[in-house]
Amino acid sequence: DAKTTQPTSMDCAEGRAANLPCNHSTISGNEYVYWYRQIHSQGPQYIIHGLKNNETNEMASLIITEDRKSSTLILPHATLRDTAVYYCIVRAQGGSEKLVFGKGTKLTVNP
Amino acid sequence: NAGVTQTPKFQVLKTGQSMTLQCAQDMNHEYMSWYRQDPGMGLRLIHYSVGAGITDQGEVPNGYNVSRSTTEDFPLRLLSAAPSQTSVYFCASRPDRRMNTEAFFGQGTRLTVV
Repeated sequence: DAKTTQPTSMDCAEGRAANLPCNHSTISGNEYVYWYRQIHSQGPQYIIHGLKNNETNEMASLIITEDRKSSTLILPHATLRDTAVYYCIVRAQGGSEKLVFGKGTKLTVNP
Repeated sequence: NAGVTQTPKFQVLKTGQSMTLQCAQDMNHEYMSWYRQDPGMGLRLIHYSVGAGITDQGEVPNGYNVSRSTTEDFPLRLLSAAPSQTSVYFCASRPDRRMNTEAFFGQGTRLTVV
């Protein structure tokens, strides 16, 4: 599975959009981009995933560049409860069971 | 809807003791796995199972055993606990390898070995 690079930390004002970038320049054609988050030592929580097209669900939007070498997770209206570590993971469907979480981005939403 | 349930939530062991961390899911998922998370590090895969009766090693399997006698349960056994096994342990499940779906995680077991 391709490696990912994320900023160590980011800040966002409550009510504003949080845009979390992820670089996955070695991604291959059959690899999906997944986003999870972990709130203060709780179990990781799935957010969204995508292959090529942009995706949106009730939690977030995922924007994947045309060359698929990077993506951005967007939380449209961040709240204090969105403070967490966000993990970008690349994984091939049917590939290794291992989810490589890395160190993620610590997002702090400020009042 | 319980999802993935882990017990106990907290445990303190003495070096050399054995114990079993329990994990159960009520979603009829085929895939289950165990991860450990240490301070400042991401989650590392210990063992996983693709279905009842089938298990395989992950990234850090030494010192741990697993079995999968039913679809619902995937216990993790520490045979002789060591301080290096002090960690937070997460169990996860996924529906099916053929489906492009997300993993559901339990709330974790915080283990301290003294």
